[in-house]
Amino acid sequence: GIQVEQSPPDLILQEGANSTLRCNFSDSVNNLQWFHQNPWGQLINLFYIPSGTKQNGRLSATTVATERYSLLYISSSQTTDSGVYFCAVERFGETSYDKVIFGPGTSLSVIP
Amino acid sequence: KAGVTQTPRYLIKTRGQQVTLSCSPISGHRSVSWYQQTPGQGLQFLFEYFSETQRNKGNFPGRFSGRQFSNSRSEMNVSTLELGDSALYLCASSFQGRETQYFGPGTRLLVL
Repeated sequence: GIQVEQSPPDLILQEGANSTLRCNFSDSVNNLQWFHQNPWGQLINLFYIPSGTKQNGRLSATTVATERYSLLYISSSQTTDSGVYFCAVERFGETSYDKVIFGPGTSLSVIP
Repeated sequence: KAGVTQTPRYLIKTRGQQVTLSCSPISGHRSVSWYQQTPGQGLQFLFEYFSETQRNKGNFPGRFSGRQFSNSRSEMNVSTLELGDSALYLCASSFQGRETQYFGPGTRLLVL
């Protein structure tokens, strides 16, 4: 099945700093999403980005499907950005059950 | 507009029992997806329901089942509980696909 890796596993930032989180996947995919889980467990869907670049405020994401990676950029980080960031990939029309695979996550701590 | 609600929020069961978890999606949303999160396996996709039909399924044994009602509310059932089923179970709703999902707070299940 598809393998999904995320780096770095842990990241500590000073408030106001920028960061780049990476998601690598081992095979072609039809869909890629980024999620944020805050320290209280609430999960939020950030981007649906099978290819190209999208921006939402201080966050942006780029997926280069041909090279099997996606990047999540966080600019001017705030303490509310703390939590775990997950990427998830999906393959359509699969007969196997490896349809939606999550990466292990990047744990981000933003310090005031 | 009310968010996604999940009941119960916490649950303690013993091995061999069965459990039913409920998810009420955002009004107007027709897709409900379920996820399991454990420290060991991370986030895993269980299944997705759309208009009362299971549209996608993850790699879980048949002990895990679900259904969706005509009002889009969804339930998932786990029979013959095992210790490894202890997890945070998250549901998410979306209008049609999983491009923009809204997550509930989760049900934390502990199996003793």
